Amino acid sequence: GAVVSQHPSWVICKSGTSVKIECRSLDFQATTMFWYRQFPKQSLMLMATSNEGSKATYEQGVEKDKFLINHASLTLSTLTVTSAHPEDSSFYICSATRLAGSTDTQYFGPGTRLTVL
Amino acid sequence: GENVEQHPSTLSVQEGDSAVIKCTYSDSASNYFPWYKQELGKRPQLIIDIRSNVGEKKDQRIAVTLNKTAKHFSLHITETQPEDSAVYFCAASNGGADGLTFGKGTHLIIQP
Repeated sequence: GAVVSQHPSWVICKSGTSVKIECRSLDFQATTMFWYRQFPKQSLMLMATSNEGSKATYEQGVEKDKFLINHASLTLSTLTVTSAHPEDSSFYICSATRLAGSTDTQYFGPGTRLTVL
Repeated sequence: GENVEQHPSTLSVQEGDSAVIKCTYSDSASNYFPWYKQELGKRPQLIIDIRSNVGEKKDQRIAVTLNKTAKHFSLHITETQPEDSAVYFCAASNGGADGLTFGKGTHLIIQP
């Protein structure tokens, strides 16, 4: 149990276009979903926290108008990178915590590698 | 906000020996401390976690210790095997709806 999926697994886009990444909890309901970004050979950095039906909370330095997060249900959160530029190229990983049981444990998706040309 | 320091950045040990990775955190309100193993291009995998009401936790070859007073926690891997080679991250959070603050990672290399 506790499987999180992401789609797509990789995407290449042109500078100036928008890209949407989906994060789904497949076999559990998630109270909260998180979005992280990981640059090559670096650590994971928390971008934002989202709860179903409410606005996402963004970390300092993360532009909320550039990284749009929608958490429409207890199993789906989406991250849209608007007007992407080469510096947005990174590995984007989501995680989710369960609605019931241990609410501390975060289950990570497989990540989405974004390359902006 | 929380700041997590992790050492060393690279650790090379002989197969069969033990490996220890150390982390310190700054926010005394943090109460959840997971450790993740990440292989190149893949998702982080939770290998063990500890909560602030416990000083030590063990799972087969892996153990974690927590010193709340000193605000540091450590990962211990015994009888290392080649498949233990990966990047290991420590993290801290207030638990529940709070995101994780990660350390910078330790590249563990197991020499055959």
